[in-house]
Amino acid sequence: DAGVIQSPRHEVTEMGQEVTLRCKPISGHNSLFWYRQTMMRGLELLIYFNNNVPIDDSGMPEDRFSAKMPNASFSTLKIQPSEPRDSAVYFCASSRGERVYSNQPQHFGDGTRLSIL
Amino acid sequence: DAKTTQPTSMDCAEGRAANLPCNHSTISGNEYVYWYRQIHSQGPQYIIHGLKNNETNEMASLIITEDRKSSTLILPHATLRDTAVYYCIVPYTGANSKLTFGKGITLSVRP
Repeated sequence: DAGVIQSPRHEVTEMGQEVTLRCKPISGHNSLFWYRQTMMRGLELLIYFNNNVPIDDSGMPEDRFSAKMPNASFSTLKIQPSEPRDSAVYFCASSRGERVYSNQPQHFGDGTRLSIL
Repeated sequence: DAKTTQPTSMDCAEGRAANLPCNHSTISGNEYVYWYRQIHSQGPQYIIHGLKNNETNEMASLIITEDRKSSTLILPHATLRDTAVYYCIVPYTGANSKLTFGKGITLSVRP
């Protein structure tokens, strides 16, 4: 079975540019999560969707970040304009459960390593 | 999330069992214990989870104490590829629950 697929694997761009990260969840999973990982802050949840609807975006750092899930098989995380402090590894995860605690594990992609110069 | 406490690091010899402890003394009756691991440069990987009974799958065993205040993840025959950061997580069961990854425990498997 295909796992969570993220693209691109690596992105290097200059500050001020728009960055779009993409995620394809596992087929049949109805929850999708975006995480960011840095050395300083560890792994932190940015936003999660259930049945394509954003449920909790309290982890989104600021208005420069936005996420969409137009259908059950695709999600994007956009940063506009990007800044050097956005450099991190961004992970997407999906699960069958409607909530984090609903006895369903999350399955993670391999991440996008983002560097903003 | 119920607060979890893990040692910072541990090591074990290849082929031996690795026993990774976790304390979660404030766990509530309906909260699960999850274990994930992250191998360098990869995304976190789900290992196992449990509520009160011991659980076993192809990757590991999870032993939860009767009072549920602590648990142990057991890798029965550790290999070099098991070197990773292991996270013990207890998400609370309220609305907008989240998986909160702390610092985890770094397991180093030596040849």
